[in-house]
Amino acid sequence: ETVMTQSPATLSVSPGERVTLSCRASQSVSSNLAWYQQKPGQSPRLLVYAASARATGIPARFSGSGSGTEFTLTISSLQSEDFAVYYCQQYNNWPPYTFGQGTKVEIK
Amino acid sequence: EVQLVESGGGVVQPGGSLRLLCAASGFTFDDYTMHWVRHAPGKSLEWVSLISWDGKSAYYGDFVRGRFTISRDNSKNSLYLQMNSLKIEDTALYYCAKDMGDYLYMDVWGKGTTVTVSS
Repeated sequence: ETVMTQSPATLSVSPGERVTLSCRASQSVSSNLAWYQQKPGQSPRLLVYAASARATGIPARFSGSGSGTEFTLTISSLQSEDFAVYYCQQYNNWPPYTFGQGTKVEIK
Repeated sequence: EVQLVESGGGVVQPGGSLRLLCAASGFTFDDYTMHWVRHAPGKSLEWVSLISWDGKSAYYGDFVRGRFTISRDNSKNSLYLQMNSLKIEDTALYYCAKDMGDYLYMDVWGKGTTVTVSS
């Protein structure tokens, strides 16, 4: 099973700041990595797929990068609606599909 | 509008059974692989199962161990998850999710249905 490890677990940030979230895979997942955003009481929302492609309707302030085992999700200028939990997920080595444990972005 | 609506969750005793349903609309259901993903309190998202567009291939997380069965009825635009021999650790919010194509990522998620296993 490919283990996905996200860091940090929690990030305290002020609106307008640049945010970088990390995701590491225990073995190569090529570029088959997605990022999801989940707000309290809501279902996950696809942000990025294929490591760096933004999903439909996702603002340009969200960007993904990386390949192999190291990946990053960057929010260039955090908006109030971006406070949420972010998950990475690999879809290269399955079954099973695996998710990271999540990074919570909270207001500083 | 693409929509997935789950139902069938509830409270059940350990060892009991439940059948979850996901009603799909707004897209050509039989073109896509479908998934079940769960979210237990205080834990991360956990992939449960997937089924191919034609229902001929199904895969499960290791923790299922023959207890769950995924199925679909393309004539009814419906996805199912039959859960037997439920354990306390199966307590979670269960999401139905649409695959972007075949065995890729999940691009649309339902709101989920809650399964509580408790004595």
